Amino acid sequence: EVQLLESGGGLVQPGGSLRLSCAASGFTFSSYAMSWVRQAPGKGLEWVSTITRSAGSTYYADSVKGRFTISRDDSGNTLFLQMNSLRAEDTAVYYCAKRYFDWLSHADYWGRGTLVTVSS
Amino acid sequence: DIVMTQSPDSLAVSLGERATINCKSSHSVLYRSNSKNYLAWYQQKPGQPPKLLIYWASTRESGVPDRFSGSGSGTDFTLTISSLQAEDVAVYYCHQYYSTPLTFGQGTKLEIK
Repeated sequence: EVQLLESGGGLVQPGGSLRLSCAASGFTFSSYAMSWVRQAPGKGLEWVSTITRSAGSTYYADSVKGRFTISRDDSGNTLFLQMNSLRAEDTAVYYCAKRYFDWLSHADYWGRGTLVTVSS
Repeated sequence: DIVMTQSPDSLAVSLGERATINCKSSHSVLYRSNSKNYLAWYQQKPGQPPKLLIYWASTRESGVPDRFSGSGSGTDFTLTISSLQAEDVAVYYCHQYYSTPLTFGQGTKLEIK
């Protein structure tokens, strides 16, 4: 059974940093692209970033480019999102999602999310 | 960026009746090389993550009831629930994965009339 478990969310001040983790199990992690998608309170879904298999390439939304970094540890089956220079508008539930195959494919499994709140 | 626009924003349908949600993309999401539309539909219930219903515009995900179907090509797509059940109350999103930035529709809230 595919499982994705996010962690690392919490309350942080504007300008601060957080590192999210997503522990994956139930599939061969290294064989799939992975994404982060966020959802602000009461709002819709917003794609944040995708990393290809073998971390060959990374892609970012303009809203986070230069501030967020996606990475993966295939030996530990874990996806990461390093978030720097956080802003109030980054407040959201952050979901980890497995892509069906490579980076241009649908997301077939999602974690339950971790809440990031940016506030003073 | 490819803008995804869903209609309507909200919809109330009687139990057992048909529900139809539309999604229009600002650019075609059909890859000519493989004739696939890079379009998925998700269902999200309160407090839960999105659940994949349909991918490649019309392929139903394993385990999804056959009352859910997807259609369309190029820039115009439809999600149809043939006979609405109480458990179908949710917000539905279309999503294009044709190019980055990957984008979602704004969501359609489906309720029982």
